[in-house]
Amino acid sequence: DTGVSQDPRHKITKRGQNVTFRCDPISEHNRLYWYRQTLGQGPEFLTYFQNEAQLEKSRLLSDRFSAERPKGSFSTLEIQRTEQGDSAMYLCASTASGRGGEQYFGPGTRLTVT
Amino acid sequence: LAKTTQPISMDSYEGQEVNITCSHNNIATNDYITWYQQFPSQGPRFIIQGYKTKVTNEVASLFIPADRKSSTLSLPRVSLSDTAVYYCLVTAPHQTGANNLFFGTGTRLTVIP
Repeated sequence: DTGVSQDPRHKITKRGQNVTFRCDPISEHNRLYWYRQTLGQGPEFLTYFQNEAQLEKSRLLSDRFSAERPKGSFSTLEIQRTEQGDSAMYLCASTASGRGGEQYFGPGTRLTVT
Repeated sequence: LAKTTQPISMDSYEGQEVNITCSHNNIATNDYITWYQQFPSQGPRFIIQGYKTKVTNEVASLFIPADRKSSTLSLPRVSLSDTAVYYCLVTAPHQTGANNLFFGTGTRLTVIP
């Protein structure tokens, strides 16, 4: 088991462009989470999947954000028409059912919108 | 959702034991206390979780008094590599989503040579 992986690790984009991030969770974990973290703050919950179903979305997740987890394996997070305020670290985590407090995080994708 | 309060920052010399205390006055009966560690430019790493009394693993110990309104993370003999942000969370094992993992700003521990 290689843990949670995320790709890319860094992304620089111009305002107005679309970006997509990928997360590969630990294979036996059926729950997958996306978080956003800005400098000096802890991670903030964005959305979560149980298998392929997206069960909850934060109010932080505007209409420009969309996440998918086809077939309940890897997940993608897309941001359309990026804004400078979207600059942050985007973290993915996975866990098994019944162990909600024990999440395993990936290294994150750092997004910079210029 | 039981929020937590912990010091913003702490400094310690290498080799000392570090205790970080967290307050969670509104913890519910089914809630656990969970601690994460985060190094710069990395995702948080689960350290330890407990419900009551004392839990110890290879990384840390977690002390929880009977009223469970606070908890203390103890790091024995810290080294420079323990410099990180430590987050105290109240979590419910079978709960999911926004209510389950609220990180706050954490405690920034700096270990001094």
